[in-house]
Amino acid sequence: QVQLKESGPGLVQPSQTLSLTCTVSGLSLTSNSVSWIRQPPGKGLEWMGVIWSNGGTDYNSAIKSRLSISRDTSKSQVFLKMNSLQTEDTAMYFCASDYSGDEYWGQGVMVTVSS
Amino acid sequence: DIVMTQTPSSQAVSAGEKVTMSCKSSQSLLYSENKKNYLAWYQQKPGQSPKLLISWASTRESGVPDRFIGSGSGTDFTLTISSVQAEDLAVYYCEQYYDTPLTFGSGTKLEIK
Repeated sequence: QVQLKESGPGLVQPSQTLSLTCTVSGLSLTSNSVSWIRQPPGKGLEWMGVIWSNGGTDYNSAIKSRLSISRDTSKSQVFLKMNSLQTEDTAMYFCASDYSGDEYWGQGVMVTVSS
Repeated sequence: DIVMTQTPSSQAVSAGEKVTMSCKSSQSLLYSENKKNYLAWYQQKPGQSPKLLISWASTRESGVPDRFIGSGSGTDFTLTISSVQAEDLAVYYCEQYYDTPLTFGSGTKLEIK
């Protein structure tokens, strides 16, 4: 059974760095890509970036300078780090992956940027 | 970046009615080599993660009711719900995966009268 679960701090101060973890089960990170998507409260979806099965990454150009996605295949974890957070980065953060023709999303983690 | 434009932003219909919603892309999503449109439709119910309904513009995912119909090609796409049910209350997003960054439309909120 494929599952993805996001974890991280619920509150981050402005200008600080956000660190999130996506823990996956039921699939291999060396065979499947994992994407990060975020959604500000009451707004639409924004694709942030992806780490491919070969470890390569692609990022949304709008936030590329602040974003880093990495992984630890031995722990089945994917990491998101984004620096210089501002209030507009307040959002629900999701990770998602494809496996065997189906797409799976985590439940999301709410991150609030506030002092 | 490819811009995705969805209309209308919201729509209210009665159960049993047919509803259509539009998604237009700023460039063609049709890849000439495989003749596939790199367009997906998602359903997001209140308080839930998005759920993939349709990929390749018209291919329903496993378990998706056949009342959900995706159509279109190139830059113009449509999601039709042939007979809306109360449980279809949700926001529907289109997404292009023709090129990175992947981009979503702003969504169509479906309300049930």
